Amino acid sequence: DAKTTQPPSMDCAEGRAANLPCNHSTISGNEYVYWYRQIHSQGPQYIIHGLKNNETNEMASLIITEDRKSSTLILPHATLRDTAVYYCIVRVGDMRFGAGTRLTVKP
Amino acid sequence: GAVVSQHPSRVICKSGTSVKIECRSLDFQATTMFWYRQFPKQSLMLMATSNEGSKATYEQGVEKDKFLINHASLTLSTLTVTSAHPEDSSFYICSAKTIWDEQFFGPGTRLTVL
Repeated sequence: DAKTTQPPSMDCAEGRAANLPCNHSTISGNEYVYWYRQIHSQGPQYIIHGLKNNETNEMASLIITEDRKSSTLILPHATLRDTAVYYCIVRVGDMRFGAGTRLTVKP
Repeated sequence: GAVVSQHPSRVICKSGTSVKIECRSLDFQATTMFWYRQFPKQSLMLMATSNEGSKATYEQGVEKDKFLINHASLTLSTLTVTSAHPEDSSFYICSAKTIWDEQFFGPGTRLTVL
């Protein structure tokens, strides 16, 4: 599976958009980009995934660059409950986790 | 999304005993389930992949005789930590894959070995 690079931590003000970047420069053509998050002491929660096109659901938006070498997860209006570790994963088979980004939403 | 449950949510046991953790897909059938382990302040590490009716595939460095996995039905996989020791204390998380290739995770089981 391709590896991903994410910043170790980010802060965001409550009510503002949180933009979480992910680099996956070695992604192959059939690998999807997945985003999960893990709130302390819980199992990972699925957020969104995509292949080429931008995707949006009730939780977030996923922007994938045209060359697919990077993507951004956007939480449009972050709340305190969005404080978590966010994992960007590229996969075609097993789901393997990197270190993720610890997002802290501040009041 | 689909729901995956784990039981128990936390367990404390004495060194040398065996502990069984159950993982169930509640509203879908999962031909493949996965087991992960997470130590404090670290990411999830894949331990093994479990396919219904066949032997599990273990990741390098994971002892198959210590971590027994059984996937007897399309909705249930079990992980048994045999002869547990304090270094096996960890957060164990399972996940199940749907026929649409989506993967949903359980809430995790915190194992403490005294």
